[in-house]
Amino acid sequence: NAGVTQTPKFRVLKTGQSMTLLCAQDMNHEYMYWYRQDPGMGLRLIHYSVGEGTTAKGEVPDGYNVSRLKKQNFLLGLESAAPSQTSVYFCASRTSGLHTEAFFGQGTRLTVV
Amino acid sequence: GEDVEQSLFLSVREGDSSVINCTYTDSSSTYLYWYKQEPGAGLQLLTYIFSNMDMKQDQRLTVLLNKKDKHLSLRIADTQTGDSAIYFCAGGGMSSSASKIIFGSGTRLSIRP
Repeated sequence: NAGVTQTPKFRVLKTGQSMTLLCAQDMNHEYMYWYRQDPGMGLRLIHYSVGEGTTAKGEVPDGYNVSRLKKQNFLLGLESAAPSQTSVYFCASRTSGLHTEAFFGQGTRLTVV
Repeated sequence: GEDVEQSLFLSVREGDSSVINCTYTDSSSTYLYWYKQEPGAGLQLLTYIFSNMDMKQDQRLTVLLNKKDKHLSLRIADTQTGDSAIYFCAGGGMSSSASKIIFGSGTRLSIRP
């Protein structure tokens, strides 16, 4: 039981390049989330999904796109990376319901130069 | 929109109690979480409390909720070096979407010998 797995763990991009971060969970969770973590700003919600085929914007969605084609996977895309997107990205998942625990991946450290 | 605020740093002596405070703006929050993040790792759930509770105790952890002031606190008794981490307050079930979880900026707890 791997839980929530993020790939890659580290990446360096040049400004303007594109990439996709993959989040995979094996717990059959309905809800999945992408957050970014920056010093002094905590975790900010980028996009989230409440089920296969559905996505919604969070607090800071600009510059990112997401897809949830399969229930177990939630992809975060950067079409044209900018230095402001240098951050640590965390994926999380949980079952539906009001008080369920969110399980987090180990994070992806992305640097845009 | 929803907002969750915490102080950024706390330093305590080993063996003393640590009290980490959090305030939130959305009175419709139905549940509030405390997560712990150790260096280089993702977040792990420590405890949670429902909005209809005033206090919850779990071994060395005590959570107090003051709904009138929208104030949440986490007390760690007999603080140990292993408690060094960043602690995040988070709220869920907020008015705009029952599926979102909004995090505070995190409080970095350091332990003095």
